[in-house]
Amino acid sequence: NAGVTQTPKFRVLKTGQSMTLLCAQDMNHEYMYWYRQDPGMGLRLIHYSVGEGTTAKGEVPDGYNVSRLKKQNFLLGLESAAPSQTSVYFCASREVGNSDIAFFGQGTRLTVV
Amino acid sequence: LAKTTQPISMDSYEGQEVNITCSHNNIATNDYITWYQQFPSQGPRFIIQGYKTKVTNEVASLFIPADRKSSTLSLPRVSLSDTAVYYCLVGDSLGGGNKLVFGAGTILRVKS
Repeated sequence: NAGVTQTPKFRVLKTGQSMTLLCAQDMNHEYMYWYRQDPGMGLRLIHYSVGEGTTAKGEVPDGYNVSRLKKQNFLLGLESAAPSQTSVYFCASREVGNSDIAFFGQGTRLTVV
Repeated sequence: LAKTTQPISMDSYEGQEVNITCSHNNIATNDYITWYQQFPSQGPRFIIQGYKTKVTNEVASLFIPADRKSSTLSLPRVSLSDTAVYYCLVGDSLGGGNKLVFGAGTILRVKS
């Protein structure tokens, strides 16, 4: 059982380039999330989804877009990368119900030069 | 989602018991209290969850007083490998808590 898998693990982009980060979960979870974590800081919520075909803004959505076309996948897009988007990106999926148990991927380290 | 307050950092020595307290004064009736652990360069992982009184698993214990306005994560006999950031979250997905917002967490440093 793979859990939550993020692709790629590392990426270097030039300013202005675009890219898509993929998050895949095999636990049939309804909720999925994208976070960024800057060095020495906590996790900040970018966007999230409460089900296939739905997306919503988190705390820091500017500069990012997301799509949830399939229940098991949650894509994070950067249309025009900026150095301020250099960070580690984490994806999570979560059970629905009277609990907040979330499962995280291993992270994607993105550097924008 | 109820706001939580935790100490920014704590230091301990190997073999000691560590208690990290989280305040959540506006916790709602349906809210659960969940703790996550994050090692450097890894995603957070669930360690324990509770609603009231005491919960214990193979990793930690969670103490929740009757008023539920705070909770204490207890790590027995810590080792160097317990050095991590610990996050306290309070919420309920059914109560509209769709967002999963993390605070700054508590940095635990275990020394030899």
